[in-house]
Amino acid sequence: KAGVTQTPRYLIKTRGQQVTLSCSPISGHRSVSWYQQTPGQGLQFLFEYFSETQRNKGNFPGRFSGRQFSNSRSEMNVSTLELGDSALYLCASSLRTSGSNEQYFGPGTRLTVT
Amino acid sequence: GEDVEQSLFLSVREGDSSVINCTYTDSSSTYLYWYKQEPGAGLQLLTYIFSNMDMKQDQRLTVLLNKKDKHLSLRIADTQTGDSAIYFCAESMRNQGGKLIFGQGTELSVKP
Repeated sequence: KAGVTQTPRYLIKTRGQQVTLSCSPISGHRSVSWYQQTPGQGLQFLFEYFSETQRNKGNFPGRFSGRQFSNSRSEMNVSTLELGDSALYLCASSLRTSGSNEQYFGPGTRLTVT
Repeated sequence: GEDVEQSLFLSVREGDSSVINCTYTDSSSTYLYWYKQEPGAGLQLLTYIFSNMDMKQDQRLTVLLNKKDKHLSLRIADTQTGDSAIYFCAESMRNQGGKLIFGQGTELSVKP
C-alpha cells in the first residue's frame, strides 16, 4: 500500500505571497492532520480534517487554512506569507476509528520564505 | 495543561541498549506514541501504548509507562548505527481527535 504523499517537496516563496500544499493520504484513510515543524517551536498541530470537515484546529492565525476533498486528499493554504512561516509542513493520515488512531506521516513539504 | 518533555541528546555505543525518556503533564492522555525522524524525512511511527498499559514490547523496542509519574520510556535493545535519528514521543488526549502533542525530540547518536 502506498504511503502518504505530499507535493511539492520543496518550495521557495517571497513574503506576502500565498502557497498551497497538497497531501494524499494512505488509501482508505479518511483523516488528515497537518503539522508545522520548526527548529524553535518543534512540531505543532495545525488542523485535522475528517470526511471533508475540520474536526480540530491548533493555535495558528487565520492565514493558515485547509480543506479536504471527497477522495480524502487535503490541501493547506497559507496566505500573506511571513518569514516565520518557513518550516517543514507535515501531513499525517489515519483511519480515524475509535482506539489508537495511529497517524502515518508523509515526507513533508519544505517551505522557505524569503 | 498540554506539555511533553524529553531530554535533547543521547549518545550510546553500538550494541548497547538505549533508553529515551519522556514526561507528560496531561492526565487525560489516551495513547502515547514514539516516532523516529531521520534527516530530511517525515516521521516514522515506531510503536504506541494505551495509557492503561504498563509495558509493550515489539522486537527490539520496549515501551514502559508509569502513569502515576506520567513518565514514558523507549528502550532500544542492541542499538545499531542505523538507529541514529531524532525520536519523538507524542500524546493524544480524550476529545481531541487526531491532535498529537509532541515532545521536542531526543537526538540519538550511535557510535561504532
